[in-house]
Amino acid sequence: NAGVTQTPKFQVLKTGQSMTLQCAQDMNHEYMSWYRQDPGMGLRLIHYSVGAGITDQGEVPNGYNVSRSTTEDFPLRLLSAAPSQTSVYFCASSQNFLSDRGKETQYFGPGTRLLVL
Amino acid sequence: ILNVEQSPQSLHVQEGDSTNFTCSFPSSNFYALHWYRWETAKSPEALFVMTLNGDEKKKGRISATLNTKEGYSYLYIKGSQPEDSATYLCAFDSNYQLIWGAGTKLIIKP
Repeated sequence: NAGVTQTPKFQVLKTGQSMTLQCAQDMNHEYMSWYRQDPGMGLRLIHYSVGAGITDQGEVPNGYNVSRSTTEDFPLRLLSAAPSQTSVYFCASSQNFLSDRGKETQYFGPGTRLLVL
Repeated sequence: ILNVEQSPQSLHVQEGDSTNFTCSFPSSNFYALHWYRWETAKSPEALFVMTLNGDEKKKGRISATLNTKEGYSYLYIKGSQPEDSATYLCAFDSNYQLIWGAGTKLIIKP
């Protein structure tokens, strides 16, 4: 198993550009999520999905879109990049987060470091 | 707004010494408390999931305790080794989302 994979590892964007961060998992996990990690702060949830076709907003969703057309993939789209979106982005998955109310281990991807100029 | 606090922010410990740090979380509507270990340039990896008041979990030299009534968890490392250097994160389940602390960065001095 590759686990959770993310591409690209590093990206530089100009303000106003759009891009998609890719996330895929091969563990047949139902729950997938995107976090951003900024210095001095905890991981903050952007969007999450409890299964194919179902997505919902997390703590900091503005400026980001997601979709979940398959169980395996959960791309994160930046619609119009802003310097405030400079961050490290992590994708995570778990077997079935909701069925066992928060007891599921999250498996993280390697992260995407994004710099918006 | 629910908040998870971790203290201290960073910690320098001599190799061989034991240490501990704290995670504080809301004591109401508790479901689970997670501890993760995050090494530089790697992804966070799960250490423990704790669900019951008084829970104690152990993995090698690392152990954790949980007090849900007062809203805190301690992580202990016995006989610190250089490979223990990492950031230790805790997360609290709230309304089907994990709320994360900012972490305690542990640096082991040889």
